[in-house]
Amino acid sequence: GAGVSQSPSNKVTEKGKDVELRCDPISGHTALYWYRQRLGQGLEFLIYFQGNSAPDKSGLPSDRFSAERTGESVSTLTIQRTQQEDSAVYLCASSPYAVNEQFFGPGTRLTVL
Amino acid sequence: AQKITQTQPGMFVQEKEAVTLDCTYDTSDPSYGLFWYKQPSSGEMIFLIYQGSYDQQNATEGRYSLNFQKARKSANLVISASQLGDSAMYFCAMRGIIQGAQKLVFGQGTRLTINP
Repeated sequence: GAGVSQSPSNKVTEKGKDVELRCDPISGHTALYWYRQRLGQGLEFLIYFQGNSAPDKSGLPSDRFSAERTGESVSTLTIQRTQQEDSAVYLCASSPYAVNEQFFGPGTRLTVL
Repeated sequence: AQKITQTQPGMFVQEKEAVTLDCTYDTSDPSYGLFWYKQPSSGEMIFLIYQGSYDQQNATEGRYSLNFQKARKSANLVISASQLGDSAMYFCAMRGIIQGAQKLVFGQGTRLTINP
């Protein structure tokens, strides 16, 4: 079956512009996660959605970052007024309810000039 | 707070040898899970193995095994009979069952290079 997909695969933007990153989870997966991976680093948790529950936004680094999810489908991560330190790979993952493993997408590489 | 420490930034191993990648963790959660992921140069995160904190036996998956020492708070990954395709970044991660159950906390990773 289809895995987690993310778009775009690469995004180059100018400092100060807004960007939207999209994640399509595996069908039927109730949980969806966003992570950020800076060059040469491990993954940092950003936000978590589980079904219709309120999302856990505790990992969002600033109020320039926000995310939405429609039901148990697509999620969009928005970064407003991008800064150079936002340059990273943004990874999305999904999992079925009460399953340990998270299935990751290929990521979106964001470069802020 | 939960923390994962991987002290080996890079490892070089001869093909067909076994390799151990170190991972230590810290958590106040009485129940938790430990994971290892592989990240090849292509960038995708590939799940390798999982160990629950109350599992009686060490987890094994094919050539991968997890050397879980709870008292030492270590969860080392052992890869037997290494192959050239094992060259990649390896990340140890943990997830609380009670606290922080909704996210994985990752270490900084170990870059493994298998030499022919």
